[in-house]
Amino acid sequence: GAGVSQSPSNKVTEKGKDVELRCDPISGHTALYWYRQRLGQGLEFLIYFQGNSAPDKSGLPSDRFSAERTGESVSTLTIQRTQQEDSAVYLCASSLVWTGRDYGYTFGSGTRLTVV
Amino acid sequence: AQKITQTQPGMFVQEKEAVTLDCTYDTSDQSYGLFWYKQPSSGEMIFLIYQGSYDEQNATEGRYSLNFQKARKSANLVISASQLGDSAMYFCAMRGDYGQNFVFGPGTRLSVLP
Repeated sequence: GAGVSQSPSNKVTEKGKDVELRCDPISGHTALYWYRQRLGQGLEFLIYFQGNSAPDKSGLPSDRFSAERTGESVSTLTIQRTQQEDSAVYLCASSLVWTGRDYGYTFGSGTRLTVV
Repeated sequence: AQKITQTQPGMFVQEKEAVTLDCTYDTSDQSYGLFWYKQPSSGEMIFLIYQGSYDEQNATEGRYSLNFQKARKSANLVISASQLGDSAMYFCAMRGDYGQNFVFGPGTRLSVLP
Protein backbone atom coordinates (compact mmCIF):
# COMPACT_ATOMS: atom_id res chain seq x y z
CA GLY A 1 0.00 0.00 0.00
CA ALA A 2 0.89 3.65 -0.13
CA GLY A 3 1.45 4.04 3.59
CA VAL A 4 1.97 2.12 6.79
CA SER A 5 -1.28 0.56 7.89
CA GLN A 6 -2.07 -0.31 11.49
CA SER A 7 -5.03 -2.16 12.86
CA PRO A 8 -7.13 -1.87 14.83
CA SER A 9 -7.10 1.90 15.18
CA ASN A 10 -8.66 1.63 18.62
CA LYS A 11 -8.80 -1.26 21.04
CA VAL A 12 -10.44 -1.43 24.43
CA THR A 13 -9.66 -4.55 26.40
CA GLU A 14 -10.19 -5.85 29.90
CA LYS A 15 -7.25 -6.17 32.22
CA GLY A 16 -5.71 -9.61 31.95
CA LYS A 17 -6.73 -10.23 28.35
CA ASP A 18 -4.27 -10.69 25.49
CA VAL A 19 -4.23 -8.27 22.55
CA GLU A 20 -2.65 -8.42 19.13
CA LEU A 21 -1.76 -5.32 17.16
CA ARG A 22 -0.97 -5.41 13.48
CA CYS A 23 1.34 -3.34 11.29
CA ASP A 24 1.47 -3.56 7.52
CA PRO A 25 4.57 -1.67 6.32
CA ILE A 26 5.19 -0.01 3.00
CA SER A 27 6.07 -2.59 0.39
CA GLY A 28 9.84 -2.93 0.06
CA HIS A 29 10.64 -1.39 3.42
CA THR A 30 12.98 -3.76 5.17
CA ALA A 31 13.12 -1.98 8.52
CA LEU A 32 10.15 -1.95 10.89
CA TYR A 33 9.89 -0.37 14.33
CA TRP A 34 7.35 -0.51 17.11
CA TYR A 35 7.01 2.35 19.58
CA ARG A 36 4.78 3.04 22.54
CA GLN A 37 3.57 6.54 23.29
CA ARG A 38 1.81 7.17 26.57
CA LEU A 39 -0.44 10.20 26.83
CA GLY A 40 1.55 13.42 26.60
CA GLN A 41 4.87 11.61 26.43
CA GLY A 42 7.53 10.84 23.86
CA LEU A 43 8.04 7.72 21.79
CA GLU A 44 9.37 4.73 23.68
CA PHE A 45 11.22 2.24 21.48
CA LEU A 46 9.96 -1.33 21.77
CA ILE A 47 11.40 -3.51 19.02
CA TYR A 48 13.12 -3.25 15.65
CA PHE A 49 13.13 -5.65 12.71
CA GLN A 50 15.62 -5.43 9.85
CA GLY A 51 15.08 -7.89 7.04
CA ASN A 52 15.82 -11.42 8.13
CA SER A 53 18.21 -10.40 10.92
CA ALA A 54 17.44 -11.17 14.53
CA PRO A 55 15.21 -8.41 15.89
CA ASP A 56 16.40 -5.87 18.43
CA LYS A 57 14.08 -6.55 21.35
CA SER A 58 15.93 -4.37 23.83
CA GLY A 59 13.00 -1.99 24.30
CA LEU A 60 10.33 -4.53 25.24
CA PRO A 61 9.29 -3.61 28.80
CA SER A 62 8.47 -7.12 30.00
CA ASP A 63 8.07 -10.72 28.84
CA ARG A 64 4.36 -10.02 28.36
CA PHE A 65 5.34 -8.19 25.19
CA SER A 66 6.40 -9.99 22.03
CA ALA A 67 6.46 -9.25 18.33
CA GLU A 68 6.85 -11.18 15.14
CA ARG A 69 7.57 -10.36 11.56
CA THR A 70 7.96 -12.78 8.71
CA GLY A 71 10.50 -11.49 6.21
CA GLU A 72 9.62 -7.98 5.08
CA SER A 73 5.89 -8.31 5.56
CA VAL A 74 3.33 -7.74 8.26
CA SER A 75 4.33 -7.52 11.90
CA THR A 76 2.22 -8.29 14.94
CA LEU A 77 2.82 -6.98 18.45
CA THR A 78 1.26 -9.15 21.15
CA ILE A 79 0.66 -8.06 24.71
CA GLN A 80 -0.30 -10.84 27.07
CA ARG A 81 -2.21 -10.40 30.31
CA THR A 82 -2.68 -6.69 29.69
CA GLN A 83 -2.29 -4.23 32.55
CA GLN A 84 -3.65 -0.72 32.87
CA GLU A 85 -0.17 0.72 32.42
CA ASP A 86 -0.14 -0.79 28.93
CA SER A 87 -2.70 1.81 27.87
CA ALA A 88 -1.00 3.90 25.20
CA VAL A 89 -0.82 4.52 21.50
CA TYR A 90 1.31 1.91 19.76
CA LEU A 91 3.00 3.28 16.68
CA CYS A 92 4.63 1.35 13.88
CA ALA A 93 7.14 2.83 11.42
CA SER A 94 8.91 1.40 8.41
CA SER A 95 11.80 2.51 6.25
CA LEU A 96 14.29 1.43 3.65
CA VAL A 97 17.69 0.36 4.89
CA TRP A 98 20.05 3.23 5.56
CA THR A 99 21.46 4.32 2.25
CA GLY A 100 23.33 7.45 3.23
CA ARG A 101 20.54 9.76 2.15
CA ASP A 102 17.34 9.32 3.99
CA TYR A 103 14.04 11.12 4.01
CA GLY A 104 12.75 9.66 7.20
CA TYR A 105 10.57 6.89 8.35
CA THR A 106 6.91 6.53 7.57
CA PHE A 107 4.68 6.09 10.56
CA GLY A 108 1.32 4.45 10.75
CA SER A 109 -1.61 6.15 12.44
CA GLY A 110 -1.17 4.01 15.51
CA THR A 111 -3.37 1.77 17.62
CA ARG A 112 -4.85 3.39 20.70
CA LEU A 113 -5.00 0.71 23.37
CA THR A 114 -7.10 1.22 26.46
CA VAL A 115 -7.01 -1.37 29.22
CA VAL A 116 -9.96 -1.14 31.59
CA ALA B 1 24.02 3.95 23.10
CA GLN B 2 22.31 6.92 21.57
CA LYS B 3 20.46 9.61 23.45
CA ILE B 4 18.48 12.66 22.42
CA THR B 5 17.87 15.59 24.74
CA GLN B 6 15.24 18.26 24.21
CA THR B 7 15.41 20.69 27.11
CA GLN B 8 12.34 22.76 26.27
CA PRO B 9 9.12 20.98 27.34
CA GLY B 10 7.08 23.86 25.95
CA MET B 11 7.62 26.92 23.80
CA PHE B 12 5.49 29.87 22.78
CA VAL B 13 5.98 31.98 19.68
CA GLN B 14 4.05 34.80 18.12
CA GLU B 15 2.57 34.14 14.72
CA LYS B 16 4.90 35.15 11.86
CA GLU B 17 7.98 35.10 14.08
CA ALA B 18 10.81 32.56 13.94
CA VAL B 19 11.40 29.99 16.67
CA THR B 20 14.26 27.63 17.48
CA LEU B 21 13.64 24.25 19.08
CA ASP B 22 16.70 22.79 20.75
CA CYS B 23 18.05 19.29 20.32
CA THR B 24 21.31 17.79 21.50
CA TYR B 25 22.39 14.23 20.98
CA ASP B 26 24.92 11.74 22.15
CA THR B 27 26.33 8.93 20.05
CA SER B 28 29.56 7.09 19.45
CA ASP B 29 28.67 6.34 15.83
CA GLN B 30 30.70 8.02 13.11
CA SER B 31 27.82 8.08 10.67
CA TYR B 32 24.31 8.92 11.74
CA GLY B 33 21.19 10.74 10.71
CA LEU B 34 19.19 13.36 12.57
CA PHE B 35 15.48 13.88 12.05
CA TRP B 36 12.71 16.16 13.19
CA TYR B 37 9.09 15.08 13.34
CA LYS B 38 5.93 17.04 14.03
CA GLN B 39 3.02 15.49 15.88
CA PRO B 40 -0.17 17.57 15.85
CA SER B 41 -3.05 16.85 18.17
CA SER B 42 -4.37 14.32 15.65
CA GLY B 43 -1.46 12.06 16.66
CA GLU B 44 0.11 11.43 13.28
CA MET B 45 3.89 11.67 12.99
CA ILE B 46 4.93 13.99 10.18
CA PHE B 47 8.49 13.95 8.90
CA LEU B 48 9.92 17.46 8.61
CA ILE B 49 13.62 17.43 7.90
CA TYR B 50 16.73 15.26 7.83
CA GLN B 51 20.43 15.98 8.38
CA GLY B 52 23.17 13.48 7.68
CA SER B 53 26.22 13.62 9.90
CA TYR B 54 28.51 14.09 6.90
CA ASP B 55 26.38 16.74 5.23
CA GLU B 56 28.39 19.94 5.12
CA GLN B 57 25.42 22.22 4.67
CA ASN B 58 22.51 22.66 7.00
CA ALA B 59 19.34 21.03 5.75
CA THR B 60 16.42 23.19 4.72
CA GLU B 61 12.86 22.27 3.78
CA GLY B 62 10.64 25.24 3.13
CA ARG B 63 10.15 27.12 6.39
CA TYR B 64 12.15 24.50 8.30
CA SER B 65 15.90 24.55 8.65
CA LEU B 66 18.20 22.50 10.81
CA ASN B 67 21.06 24.28 12.55
CA PHE B 68 23.58 21.46 12.70
CA GLN B 69 26.63 21.97 14.90
CA LYS B 70 28.46 18.66 14.83
CA ALA B 71 31.16 19.55 17.33
CA ARG B 72 28.53 20.58 19.85
CA LYS B 73 26.32 17.62 18.94
CA SER B 74 23.34 19.84 18.42
CA ALA B 75 20.67 19.79 15.75
CA ASN B 76 18.26 22.62 16.46
CA LEU B 77 15.15 23.09 14.36
CA VAL B 78 14.38 26.59 13.17
CA ILE B 79 10.87 27.39 12.00
CA SER B 80 10.61 30.70 10.20
CA ALA B 81 7.42 32.74 9.88
CA SER B 82 5.44 30.63 12.35
CA GLN B 83 1.86 29.79 11.51
CA LEU B 84 -1.00 28.79 13.78
CA GLY B 85 -0.90 25.34 12.20
CA ASP B 86 2.63 24.87 13.50
CA SER B 87 1.24 24.35 17.01
CA ALA B 88 2.17 20.74 17.80
CA MET B 89 4.67 18.49 19.53
CA TYR B 90 8.07 18.38 17.87
CA PHE B 91 10.38 15.42 18.26
CA CYS B 92 14.07 15.23 17.46
CA ALA B 93 15.35 11.77 16.59
CA MET B 94 18.49 10.04 15.45
CA ARG B 95 19.59 6.79 13.95
CA GLY B 96 23.08 5.36 13.92
CA ASP B 97 24.93 3.36 11.33
CA TYR B 98 23.03 1.02 9.06
CA GLY B 99 19.54 1.47 10.32
CA GLN B 100 19.86 0.71 13.96
CA ASN B 101 17.55 1.77 16.71
CA PHE B 102 15.78 5.00 15.89
CA VAL B 103 15.79 7.03 19.10
CA PHE B 104 13.49 9.93 19.91
CA GLY B 105 13.80 12.81 22.31
CA PRO B 106 11.04 13.66 24.80
CA GLY B 107 9.61 16.36 22.57
CA THR B 108 8.83 20.06 22.74
CA ARG B 109 5.29 21.38 22.64
CA LEU B 110 5.15 24.49 20.47
CA SER B 111 2.24 26.87 20.77
CA VAL B 112 1.87 29.60 18.16
CA LEU B 113 -0.02 32.63 19.44
CA PRO B 114 -2.19 34.79 17.16
